[in-house]
Amino acid sequence: GQNIDQPTEMTATEGAIVQINCTYQTSGFNGLFWYQQHAGEAPTFLSYNVLDGLEEKGRFSSFLSRSKGYSYLLLKELQMKDSASYLCAVMDSNYQLIWGAGTKLIIKP
Amino acid sequence: IAGITQAPTSQILAAGRRMTLRCTQDMRHNAMYWYRQDLGLGLRLIHYSNTAGTTGKGEVPDGYSVSRANTDDFPLTLASAVPSQTSVYFCASSDLAGVGNEQFFGPGTRLTVL
Repeated sequence: GQNIDQPTEMTATEGAIVQINCTYQTSGFNGLFWYQQHAGEAPTFLSYNVLDGLEEKGRFSSFLSRSKGYSYLLLKELQMKDSASYLCAVMDSNYQLIWGAGTKLIIKP
Repeated sequence: IAGITQAPTSQILAAGRRMTLRCTQDMRHNAMYWYRQDLGLGLRLIHYSNTAGTTGKGEVPDGYSVSRANTDDFPLTLASAVPSQTSVYFCASSDLAGVGNEQFFGPGTRLTVL
């Protein structure tokens, strides 16, 4: 079966750095997406990785290792507005997105 | 530019009733999707459409139907609602169906079936 695993919840301090991990087992791989979802709102796109390595975009970076079936999202200089759920999704061989359950990130002052 | 709109925002429905959730996008995207989101579970694909005039079944299609008569609209119909269909429903679209195409999401419809 297809499976995406991410921690259910994480807590971090304002101004700090946090790493959210995602491991996956899917039928085929056509890229990995990270989305942010604030409570009661729609998911919004953060990043896309299809090749191994690190993609940096401002305070957010995303890393991919296809051989290990592993990705992480790195958030630097945390702000209170970063409190949200972070969703990992893999595009499978049918070009459909398989979604993890999301990681709820709580930022404390 | 509105992006993707969904209607209604929320709805309480009696079991056995028929309900259509509406989704409209103004980005001229070819591909559209319907997901449901339940607590503790990831988004699950119900149906999708890679281009106007075509539709396909996702992971959880039973009890739902869709149509794609034109590029902009992608309604989702529950023929006879059951309590297990209580969920938050998101419509999404992407420029194309395939590698690297990010999906843009509508604001969601909160549906409660009693």
